[in-house]
Amino acid sequence: LAKTTQPISMDSYEGQEVNITCSHNNIATNDYITWYQQFPSQGPRFIIQGYKTKVTNEVASLFIPADRKSSTLSLPRVSLSDTAVYYCLVGGGTAGNNRKLIWGLGTSLAVNP
Amino acid sequence: EAQVTQNPRYLITVTGKKLTVTCSQNMNHEYMSWYRQDPGLGLRQIYYSMNVEVTDKGDVPEGYKVSRKEKRNFPLILESPSPNQTSLYFCASSLGLAASYEQYFGPGTRLTVT
Repeated sequence: LAKTTQPISMDSYEGQEVNITCSHNNIATNDYITWYQQFPSQGPRFIIQGYKTKVTNEVASLFIPADRKSSTLSLPRVSLSDTAVYYCLVGGGTAGNNRKLIWGLGTSLAVNP
Repeated sequence: EAQVTQNPRYLITVTGKKLTVTCSQNMNHEYMSWYRQDPGLGLRQIYYSMNVEVTDKGDVPEGYKVSRKEKRNFPLILESPSPNQTSLYFCASSLGLAASYEQYFGPGTRLTVT
């Protein structure tokens, strides 16, 4: 099972772009990269998922280099409501490998006015 | 509205008094899971279920039981709670087993065992 490493905390200001990088050196061939967001006293919420290159949705972009040993979650023009903990997970795309997903400690993002 | 519900949201109990935390999803998901979240330790999986009557241990199953008699429900049972089970618990569901499927989480149950 792949282990991920991400910064414990980050600070930003409203309107800025925030990039959170996750390291996953031992990612396996069939592993996907997934990011979740968690607000205090709530369950995590899926943000974005990718396998390679770049993925974009209405809330974020995910950049994955060719070697896939890291990934970067990009949040454009953050607001105060983006203050949350962000988790990076890697896991297999085939059944049986991976419902024992390892959740790291996440990155606590604080967006300041 | 697609959702995962948990009850109760908050629970204070005493050591040894059996309790059940219910979890229900309305998305017809096959896969369901229980996690506990503790400061400094992140989310850790307790048990998971791939379908009705199919359950398996996660990373921290000791002291917990689960059952999956119906597809929509996945209760977590603490037969003899101890203070070290004081934690924030989350139930989650997804379409399938693989990590490529998005997990939907419930709102959490904060349990205190004295």
